[in-house]
Amino acid sequence: DQQVKQNSPSLSVQEGRISILNCDYTNSMFDYFLWYKKYPAEGPTFLISISSIKDKNEDGRFTVFLNKSAKHLSLHIVPSQPGDSAVYFCAASYNFNKFYFGSGTKLNVKP
Amino acid sequence: EAQVTQNPRYLITVTGKKLTVTCSQNMNHEYMSWYRQDPGLGLRQIYYSMNVEVTDKGDVPEGYKVSRKEKRNFPLILESPSPNQTSLYFCASRMTGGLRTEAFFGQGTRLTVV
Repeated sequence: DQQVKQNSPSLSVQEGRISILNCDYTNSMFDYFLWYKKYPAEGPTFLISISSIKDKNEDGRFTVFLNKSAKHLSLHIVPSQPGDSAVYFCAASYNFNKFYFGSGTKLNVKP
Repeated sequence: EAQVTQNPRYLITVTGKKLTVTCSQNMNHEYMSWYRQDPGLGLRQIYYSMNVEVTDKGDVPEGYKVSRKEKRNFPLILESPSPNQTSLYFCASRMTGGLRTEAFFGQGTRLTVV
């Protein structure tokens, strides 16, 4: 059974608007969460992370929110740009050796 | 240029024929890991290595072997491949030393077992 779930396989957003990608997890032991972005024919690249001692982390246009009580995290991209079109994976870990990934959300930002 | 290099990028093989996918990193990273990506399942961790001669199972280790004889290399070995191992494979590496740093991924190896 998957411990990290991304229930939306795809998301379409207009350029300039906000993109919100969601991720749910089941293991309360997870204490570190990451988002990776993946373009076709390339490996995933790191985007942003958050420790469980925080509830928000910002890096430029990207913000990750963590709601531990709901076991939910989300990635906000504001404003969205066409170059953000990619597959986004969330990942979680509790010892930073074993990692659990969601199934990914394909974001399409329309010009 | 800092990178993780996987070879080959594409491979078609037959059931039961042993194969090795190589992974090499030039960043002097202690930690290396292998993942497979399948539709609807995302990336699942196969094996990881904390340092030379230190390896451990990930979530889906069955049917795979690894070795870590040198810091820079972490080959993935399929002793007797089966069609259910048809997948997209990624190798990753990162620093450790108490730091929680992100992993750098290779470009992937698409394996088809017929």
